[in-house]
Amino acid sequence: GAGVSQTPSNKVTEKGKYVELRCDPISGHTALYWYRQSLGQGPEFLIYFQGTGAADDSGLPNDRFFAVRPEGSVSTLKIQRTERGDSAVYLCASSRDPGGGYTFGSGTRLTVV
Amino acid sequence: KQEVTQIPAALSVPEGENLVLNCSFTDSAIYNLQWFRQDPGKGLTSLLLIQSSQREQTSGRLNASLDKSSGRSTLYIAASQPGDSATYLCAVLSDMRFGAGTRLTVKP
Repeated sequence: GAGVSQTPSNKVTEKGKYVELRCDPISGHTALYWYRQSLGQGPEFLIYFQGTGAADDSGLPNDRFFAVRPEGSVSTLKIQRTERGDSAVYLCASSRDPGGGYTFGSGTRLTVV
Repeated sequence: KQEVTQIPAALSVPEGENLVLNCSFTDSAIYNLQWFRQDPGKGLTSLLLIQSSQREQTSGRLNASLDKSSGRSTLYIAASQPGDSATYLCAVLSDMRFGAGTRLTVKP
């Protein structure tokens, strides 16, 4: 696609529920990144994919968070047993190759009530 | 671990002023750095990307420089306008680390 697409744009879920956030990167971009941003903060790194594999998942806060990119394009960030502290804007970016300039999607605002 | 710091956290200037936003990083072994703009409630828009072989990049009224030896990048905005009001973020891409941003307000 022409840009990075993230769906849904907003998600409200109850504490303890499971959520999936989707990212559709720019066609041909091999690198894909997930970040989380809280109000007034810079984006916090979560995970980086090169192709289908997670090249760096050191930013995932705990084992409730998991992400996949099975065909090297679309990625899904999965959060189990959501907690109120998971509320944030989840941002996805892609780049043509590792270390290349990022293009961000508009983000998914997750609210856990 | 790479630490990225942006000072000041907030800045308010009158329209027409030239201004400099600062970004510092602790590990100088980087190979590129990118500046972004973020409007309230919106995603990040790329402004300038500086590769390690470059010392600066320019786009319109914006100029970004990179000094790896001192661990610093600056974003220069000339003749600021109210429409420049936003949060400006720098990112060290090789480490996938962002600063917390500088919130800029340009008053008419």
